[in-house]
Amino acid sequence: ELKVEQNPLFLSMQEGKNYTIYCNYSTTSDRLYWYRQDPGKSLESLFVLLSNGAVKQEGRLMASLDTKARLSTLHITAAVHDLSATYFCAGNSNYQLIWGAGTKLIIKP
Amino acid sequence: DTAVSQTPKYLVTQMGNDKSIKCEQNLGHDTMYWYKQDSKKFLKIMFSYNNKELIINETVPNRFSPKSPDKAHLNLHINSLELGDSAVYFCASSQGGAGYTFGSGTRLTVV
Repeated sequence: ELKVEQNPLFLSMQEGKNYTIYCNYSTTSDRLYWYRQDPGKSLESLFVLLSNGAVKQEGRLMASLDTKARLSTLHITAAVHDLSATYFCAGNSNYQLIWGAGTKLIIKP
Repeated sequence: DTAVSQTPKYLVTQMGNDKSIKCEQNLGHDTMYWYKQDSKKFLKIMFSYNNKELIINETVPNRFSPKSPDKAHLNLHINSLELGDSAVYFCASSQGGAGYTFGSGTRLTVV
């Protein structure tokens, strides 16, 4: 049974700093997803990572996947306030997404 | 606009009532889902339909019944609502696992 763990669950950081959110998963997942959720809003797809060593970047966010370590990371570079949100990772098992608990990210000016 | 749209956005109702949430997608996706997000933001799959056929039916009370009249629609009917049903319910769709598109959510409050 696939389990997905994110850490940290809460992160408060200053603008301009760099940080990384980690997503560990317990068994094989053929893909790894990252989503963003703003308060009271829907989930927005950020990245879909399909293979070992995959790296995708969009603006100040970069996601990577290491299938051997069963680890995905979401790296934030020079954070800005607009990136404040909850970030979820999810793996794929038996035609469904298995979600991490989410990382609530607060970026202070 | 291509999207997953669900209605209503907010639903406040009394215990014991029956209510429905509707979901439609115009993305041409073949799989649709219902998720429940609790107050701690934890997301849990409830149901999944692929081309109108039920493929995932997680352990949810049988008061919850999905209906898929065609592959673009997946509605959720809830009987005898309870306080613990209060949550945000998200509809989503996907095609081949390429990515899931979520609706805007329905915030259900049972009083």
